[in-house]
Amino acid sequence: SQKIEQNSEALNIQEGKTATLTCNYTNYSPAYLQWYRQDPGRGPVFLLLIRENEKEKRKERLKVTFDTTLKQSLFHITASQPADSATYLCALDIRSNYQLIWGAGTKLIIKP
Amino acid sequence: DTGVSQDPRHKITKRGQNVTFRCDPISEHNRLYWYRQTLGQGPEFLTYFQNEAQLEKSRLLSNRFSAERPKGSFSTLEIQRTEQGDSAMYLCASSRTAQSTDTQYFGPGTRLTVL
Repeated sequence: SQKIEQNSEALNIQEGKTATLTCNYTNYSPAYLQWYRQDPGRGPVFLLLIRENEKEKRKERLKVTFDTTLKQSLFHITASQPADSATYLCALDIRSNYQLIWGAGTKLIIKP
Repeated sequence: DTGVSQDPRHKITKRGQNVTFRCDPISEHNRLYWYRQTLGQGPEFLTYFQNEAQLEKSRLLSNRFSAERPKGSFSTLEIQRTEQGDSAMYLCASSRTAQSTDTQYFGPGTRLTVL
């Protein structure tokens, strides 16, 4: 069956360190993958999109990698700050023109 | 604030009652999506509109759910004869074009509690 896995346990990181979140998928061949941030009681906010032919994408302190062989995306936040604390969701395109399939998200806690 | 608004933000209702939610997308966004999200899970696709046309509904969507987008602007999601299992956050999102890679902008959601 089709499946997306993100770390279900919260990730605790010391301020200033790099946080790395994982998104693994099975039985998909997505054309692209997106990462979103969601704060409590709010809707997700788009962060980055990476296509299947891209290995890496960067935006300020954020970096996303996409390994279609391993069926994995890694999401990095460098020089992490307490304000980065949130739940981070990955979403995959399933080669349809309307639908994304979402992971359950990983809660990131940056400790001062 | 993404520019997508939803009303109400919270709704408490008794089982068996009907509820209606409203979403106002970003002006001139052609695509509008409805999702449902429960605690600890990612958003689950319910349905989407291209302008005023409802183009797809999830197979998981009960026939108690109906959505409209008259005139291709705001949208409403109605749940009839609510059940406790309908308790969730209902999210609306819009995107500018029909391109699948176009960014989806989410509203703050409507949290439904069915007693």
